Amino acid sequence: AQKITQTQPGMFVQEKEAVTLDCTYDTSDPSYGLFWYKQPSSGEMIFLIYQGSYDQQNATEGRYSLNFQKARKSANLVISASQLGDSAMYFCAMREDMDSSYKLIFGSGTRLLVRP
Amino acid sequence: DTAVSQTPKYLVTQMGNDKSIKCEQNLGHDTMYWYKQDSKKFLKIMFSYNNKELIINETVPNRFSPKSPDKAHLNLHINSLELGDSAVYFCASSFGTGGYYEQYFGPGTRLTVT
Repeated sequence: AQKITQTQPGMFVQEKEAVTLDCTYDTSDPSYGLFWYKQPSSGEMIFLIYQGSYDQQNATEGRYSLNFQKARKSANLVISASQLGDSAMYFCAMREDMDSSYKLIFGSGTRLLVRP
Repeated sequence: DTAVSQTPKYLVTQMGNDKSIKCEQNLGHDTMYWYKQDSKKFLKIMFSYNNKELIINETVPNRFSPKSPDKAHLNLHINSLELGDSAVYFCASSFGTGGYYEQYFGPGTRLTVT
């Protein structure tokens, strides 16, 4: 069963505006973590932000913030003041704990295009 | 300085060949991973090593064999390449296995099997 869902395959946003990329997850573990990664056209995966399930506050990193709604099992990424360089694929991922390690389960991604 | 590096960046080969992808990290991490990203951009873990020990082995054909000579290196060898192996392969690394630290990814290796 898919555990991370990104329902927006593609999105547009006007430069300097804010945009929200949706991510919902499914887990029965009380302890988990949620990550967002950016993949520009050059192909590398860039870590953006992390939210732990026990974190009391929503994570923020510069222009990135994570709107974490635990009861709804959603972890949406908010990018404020969009820039042209924000055009990329964005992946939500969830940490799945295993016996002696963990792995990341990735969503299908959202392609964001920032319009000038 | 490159944190996680992979060689080669591009690999074009014919079906049936054997090829290797190398990965090195200079971050002092003790856990390394291989991921496969298919043509639809779906990213899935293949293997994970912690201190040279295999700790995650997803349902990957045994034609794929990872090798970790030391904590800083994790190589991926693929035997008898098939068309379906065409993908981008990412190496990643992190501190420990606790999952509280982000994984740092290499630039990826685009493998094309013809």
